[in-house]
Amino acid sequence: AQKVTQAQTEISVVEKEDVTLDCVYETRDTTYYLFWYKQPPSGELVFLIRRNSFDEQNEISGRYSWNFQKSTSSFNFTITASQVVDSAVYFCALSEAGGSARQLTFGSGTQLTVLP
Amino acid sequence: NAGVTQTPKFQVLKTGQSMTLQCAQDMNHNSMYWYRQDPGMGLRLIYYSASEGTTDKGEVPNGYNVSRLNKREFSLRLESAAPSQTSVYFCASSDGELGTQYFGPGTRLLVL
Repeated sequence: AQKVTQAQTEISVVEKEDVTLDCVYETRDTTYYLFWYKQPPSGELVFLIRRNSFDEQNEISGRYSWNFQKSTSSFNFTITASQVVDSAVYFCALSEAGGSARQLTFGSGTQLTVLP
Repeated sequence: NAGVTQTPKFQVLKTGQSMTLQCAQDMNHNSMYWYRQDPGMGLRLIYYSASEGTTDKGEVPNGYNVSRLNKREFSLRLESAAPSQTSVYFCASSDGELGTQYFGPGTRLLVL
């Protein structure tokens, strides 16, 4: 069975600090997809990124970057120069390939608080 | 495009009452999902529908039923609500081939 672990329950940083959110996953499939979602205080879930298991290139989008390492089964998320608006719960999720519906398995989330 | 919409936004039920949560998407997605979110547990899949006319159980289906009314709509029914079903419920949809799920704003349900 697939599993996603986000060991950091809560992180607090001061604005402009860099912060990394950890995600470790388990799967027996060789083809799978990894995701990050953001849940701000308003409660909606916002899709941030999708990465497939064949693409280990790191990705940068503005202040966000993602480090995918199959060797350690990790898909970590770094926010550079954090801002108060980054305060949210961040979820890592995994889905296995095959079939027409991709079931997401979520981690328990990391609550990030960015202090002014 | 509205994306994924859910109604109601908030509902209070008494134990034993029934209700249906509605979900609709306008992205022409084939697959739709219902999740519940409880504190400290992330989101857990209740039911999903890979395509119109099909539904399957997820991780926590007990106490729920679903109906895929058409390609746009996927409803979740609680026949006899229990306090353990107090949660936030999210509907999502995806283009099955790409797999990215897009979520509705959620329904907060309180069962007394």
